[in-house]
Amino acid sequence: SAVISQKPSRDICQRGTSLTIQCQVDSQVTMMFWYRQQPGQSLTLIATANQGSEATYESGFVIDKFPISRPNLTFSTLTVSNMSPEDSSIYLCSAMDPSGTSTDTQYFGPGTRLTVL
Amino acid sequence: QKEVEQNSGPLSVPEGAIASLNCTYSDRGSQSFFWYRQYSGKSPELIMFIYSNGDKEDGRFTAQLNKASQYVSLLIRDSQPSDSATYLCAVIISNFGNEKLTFGTGTRLTIIP
Repeated sequence: SAVISQKPSRDICQRGTSLTIQCQVDSQVTMMFWYRQQPGQSLTLIATANQGSEATYESGFVIDKFPISRPNLTFSTLTVSNMSPEDSSIYLCSAMDPSGTSTDTQYFGPGTRLTVL
Repeated sequence: QKEVEQNSGPLSVPEGAIASLNCTYSDRGSQSFFWYRQYSGKSPELIMFIYSNGDKEDGRFTAQLNKASQYVSLLIRDSQPSDSATYLCAVIISNFGNEKLTFGTGTRLTIIP
């Protein structure tokens, strides 16, 4: 399975500022994903990030608010822009299994816990 | 109807007993099904995936899939206190040609020593 790291693990930010979350995978993967998990809720997909193309956003999420970069096959960033307290959540990066044994299995990073004051 | 439905629980099971977690899904064409375990404050951890009808066993865990009934379940045998967590059912749902891993709301399981 893929080993995924995220930075920062947590942050407390002021309203109106932006935070960029980094996600690093220990092997090359085609598809990476960004999810949000609000307190007590399940996971909601924000966008799919493929290397060499624009990210594909889910309904309710827009590029201006959540710009994503995918410069290579092991790395992606998610920026939460112009933050408000409603953006307080856990943000999770995931990647699809690169080994081929289960071609559509996703593995998750440890998450970034964001609190916006 | 939600795309992936789970009983939110909490489900309490005595230590050593069998815990049974259930999930239904709306997309009859779905082919890929996953169970994740999430401890409080941690990220989801894959337990099992299943693609074919029937049972799939891995240690104390058994996933069961019935595509005709659009039902997938997870059995945990010889439950241990360390199995106390939220269990997330996830299904790859196709929407206008776009496939997306869609999660249920999770079932909180507590194993009582």
